[in-house]
Amino acid sequence: GAGVSQTPSNKVTEKGKYVELRCDPISGHTALYWYRQSLGQGPEFLIYFQGTGAADDSGLPNDRFFAVRPEGSVSTLKIQRTERGDSAVYLCASSSDRSGKAFFGQGTRLTVV
Amino acid sequence: TQLLEQSPQFLSIQEGENLTVYCNSSSVFSSLQWYRQEPGEGPVLLVTVVTGGEVKKLKRLTFQFGDARKDSSLHITAAQPGDTGLYLCAGVRREYGNKLVFGAGTILRVKS
Repeated sequence: GAGVSQTPSNKVTEKGKYVELRCDPISGHTALYWYRQSLGQGPEFLIYFQGTGAADDSGLPNDRFFAVRPEGSVSTLKIQRTERGDSAVYLCASSSDRSGKAFFGQGTRLTVV
Repeated sequence: TQLLEQSPQFLSIQEGENLTVYCNSSSVFSSLQWYRQEPGEGPVLLVTVVTGGEVKKLKRLTFQFGDARKDSSLHITAAQPGDTGLYLCAGVRREYGNKLVFGAGTILRVKS
């Protein structure tokens, strides 16, 4: 596809469960970002990949959150032992250059019940 | 405390009116971007400004980057209902690498 694709678009899970959120970036984009957006707020930075490596993971809130990008393309955000406070829209973005211009996917709405 | 403060938080106006949204910081940014986001969608990039004092126009939208690269404004002329959405500013600082730091956004509602 031409844009950033995120799956699933919606995920409802029970407290304590494990979830995986997937991001397919724009082909050829080397930089990939994960953000989290709560209702009425701007996106909050979680982690940034340059190629396969996590260049900056300073935004991950705690060790329940982990993300991988093993082949430098698709990325998976993994959340262990989910809590109700993890409920938010998780956004993925990709970028092709160092200007920081990012193209966002439609997001995954995670609801922890 | 947000690194980028946006004001107003919410704006409801009639079709045809003009409006300005502000994005302010005490920090210097190497570039600043404006996004528009609709419900259920990701933010869509409108413009990037990189030079202090830069002005960019996109149809009825005018974006300005402050001389000191600490603030920016978005002015919309003759607003249309289709302009309704969440407007986000986001900045890049060299000290923070390439990550975008977002403001909390301005919710704009244009009534017909």
